Amino acid sequence: KQEVTQIPAALSVPEGENLVLNCSFTDSAIYNLQWFRQDPGKGLTSLLLIQSSQREQTSGRLNASLDKSSGRSTLYIAASQPGDSATYLCAVRSDSTSGTYKYIFGTGTRLKVLA
Amino acid sequence: GAGVSQSPSNKVTEKGKDVELRCDPISGHTALYWYRQRLGQGLEFLIYFQGNSAPDKSGLPSDRFSAERTGESVSTLTIQRTQQEDSAVYLCASSLDQVFSENEKLFFGSGTQLSVL
Repeated sequence: KQEVTQIPAALSVPEGENLVLNCSFTDSAIYNLQWFRQDPGKGLTSLLLIQSSQREQTSGRLNASLDKSSGRSTLYIAASQPGDSATYLCAVRSDSTSGTYKYIFGTGTRLKVLA
Repeated sequence: GAGVSQSPSNKVTEKGKDVELRCDPISGHTALYWYRQRLGQGLEFLIYFQGNSAPDKSGLPSDRFSAERTGESVSTLTIQRTQQEDSAVYLCASSLDQVFSENEKLFFGSGTQLSVL
C-alpha cells in the first residue's frame, strides 16, 4: 500500500532564503508525481508534474526532483517570497500494475515566508 | 469553463439528510476525481472517473456515498443519511489524462464545505 510522507510538517523562513521540501513514498512503482500548493480556503494548484521516467522539472523559481528508486522527491524553492506562503503537497500516482488510478497525497508542509 | 467549478461552496445540513455535491470539470477533461479533506487532515481519495465510467471507486467509505458522471462532464457526489463524521471539504479535480503528458496535471475546484449538524 502506497504511503506518502512529507517532512517537515511546518517551516518558517525569512524572505530570500532558498529552501527544500521533502516527500517520500513507500512504493517505487509510480506513474508520476505532482507537487501542489494549497492556499487557505482555496483548492489546490498544480505546480510541477514529474513523469516516472524523468529526474526533474523546473518552473520559474521552483525545481522538483525525483529519485524513484529511493522513493524520494524534493521541491526546491529559490529566493523565497512572502507570496510563497502556503501548504505544499506532493501526490503520487501508482503505475498500471497497481490496478488503481488514484493519487495518494502527503499531509503537506506548511510554509511561512517572513517579510 | 475556465476552471473546475463546484457547487454549493458551503452546505449545512442536519444529520440524516441527503446531500448532493456538484462538480463541473474543465471542458474536454476526461478524468475526474473526488477527494475529501477533513479539518487538519490530508486529502482522502473517494472515486475516479474516466469519461462516464468509474474504474476506481475504492475510496468511497460506505454505501451511503455514490457518484455519477454524465455526458463526460458534470459529476454529482451524493451522500445519503449524512453523519457528523461526513463533515469535511469535498474537492473535485479534473485532467486531460493523456498518457505521459503535461496534460495530466490535476486542476482542482475550490471545494464544497459540508457541515453536518
